[in-house]
Amino acid sequence: GAVVSQHPSWVICKSGTSVKIECRSLDFQATTMFWYRQFPKQSLMLMATSNEGSKATYEQGVEKDKFLINHASLTLSTLTVTSAHPEDSSFYICSARPGEVQPQHFGDGTRLSIL
Amino acid sequence: AQRVTQPEKLLSVFKGAPVELKCNYSYSGSPELFWYVQYSRQRLQLLLRHISRESIKGFTADLNKGETSFHLKKPFAQEEDSAMYYCALEGNYGQNFVFGPGTRLSVLP
Repeated sequence: GAVVSQHPSWVICKSGTSVKIECRSLDFQATTMFWYRQFPKQSLMLMATSNEGSKATYEQGVEKDKFLINHASLTLSTLTVTSAHPEDSSFYICSARPGEVQPQHFGDGTRLSIL
Repeated sequence: AQRVTQPEKLLSVFKGAPVELKCNYSYSGSPELFWYVQYSRQRLQLLLRHISRESIKGFTADLNKGETSFHLKKPFAQEEDSAMYYCALEGNYGQNFVFGPGTRLSVLP
């Protein structure tokens, strides 16, 4: 149980393109989902916390207009990287939590490469 | 600000040897500590959390508030334990989730 699906797993696109990444909890409802970014050989950095039906909470230094997060249902959160540039190339990972005191369950991640 | 440190980037031990992955944290409140593991080509998954006080795959971790540590231990390492291990901290009310830099454990035959 507690499976999180992330799609797509790999994206290559041109600079200036907007890219949407989906994160779905397949067998549970998630009131809270998290979006992380992982640079090569570095740890996961929390970008934002997404709560169903409300605005996401962004970590310091993360541009909310650049990384649009939508959590429209209890099983789906999306991250849209707007007007992506090569410096946005990274590994993006989402996680979902079934409840406030429950641990996070992670997706497989999305490798984003901007040419 | 909260912070998690894992001093070893790479730890190599022989099969059957004891292993200890170090984790220290800084947080002003009462955090919840976790260990996550990522096996080769697999997703990150929870190994254990301090409030559960359980042993998973032979691993244990004790929260030492005096030393602000949450070291992961296993008395006899197995080759299948080779993976990337991340220590993580969650602050009060489910906020401020921070990962450590990770330690790659390599168990040699």
